[in-house]
Amino acid sequence: NAGVTQTPKFRVLKTGQSMTLLCAQDMNHEYMYWYRQDPGMGLRLIHYSVGEGTTAKGEVPDGYNVSRLKKQNFLLGLESAAPSQTSVYFCASVVAGGPNEQFFGPGTRLTVL
Amino acid sequence: GESVGLHLPTLSVQEGDNSIINCAYSNSASDYFIWYKQESGKGPQFIIDIRSNMDKRQGQRVTVLLNKTVKHLSLQIAATQPGDSAVYFCAENLFNQGGKLIFGQGTELSVKP
Repeated sequence: NAGVTQTPKFRVLKTGQSMTLLCAQDMNHEYMYWYRQDPGMGLRLIHYSVGEGTTAKGEVPDGYNVSRLKKQNFLLGLESAAPSQTSVYFCASVVAGGPNEQFFGPGTRLTVL
Repeated sequence: GESVGLHLPTLSVQEGDNSIINCAYSNSASDYFIWYKQESGKGPQFIIDIRSNMDKRQGQRVTVLLNKTVKHLSLQIAATQPGDSAVYFCAENLFNQGGKLIFGQGTELSVKP
């Protein structure tokens, strides 16, 4: 049981490049989330999904897109990376049905030059 | 608006002492709160949670107190150890809104041997 995994762990992009971050969970959780964390700050929600084929915007969705084609995977895409998107990205998942602990992945450190 | 904030950004304690980390929240309708620990280079790790129908909850060496009157919660760590050094976040869980978490800024706890 690997929990929540993220790919890649590190990435450096040039402004305008695109990339996709992959989050996978093997706990059969219904809900999945993408957060970003900037230095000295808490995590901020980008997008989330309450089930396969459904996504919703979070607190800071601009410049990102997501897809949840399979229950176990949640993809975060940057179509045209900007330096303001330099951050650490965390994925999380939780079982549906009420307040429960969210399990977080190890993070992806992204630098946009 | 919804926000969760922390009173102190840093806290330094002596090994063996008790630590108290504070958090204020603004959404009076919130009824579920979580404390997370984040070590350097890792994702947040669940410590303890509390629902609004409780004012105290205890775990192993940790206690969370909730004061709904002043919208304040605290995390108490007994006999603080060097391994407790980390950033601690409180988060408000909006489980009726897709289980979203609203994080505070974080408090960095440093334990001196």
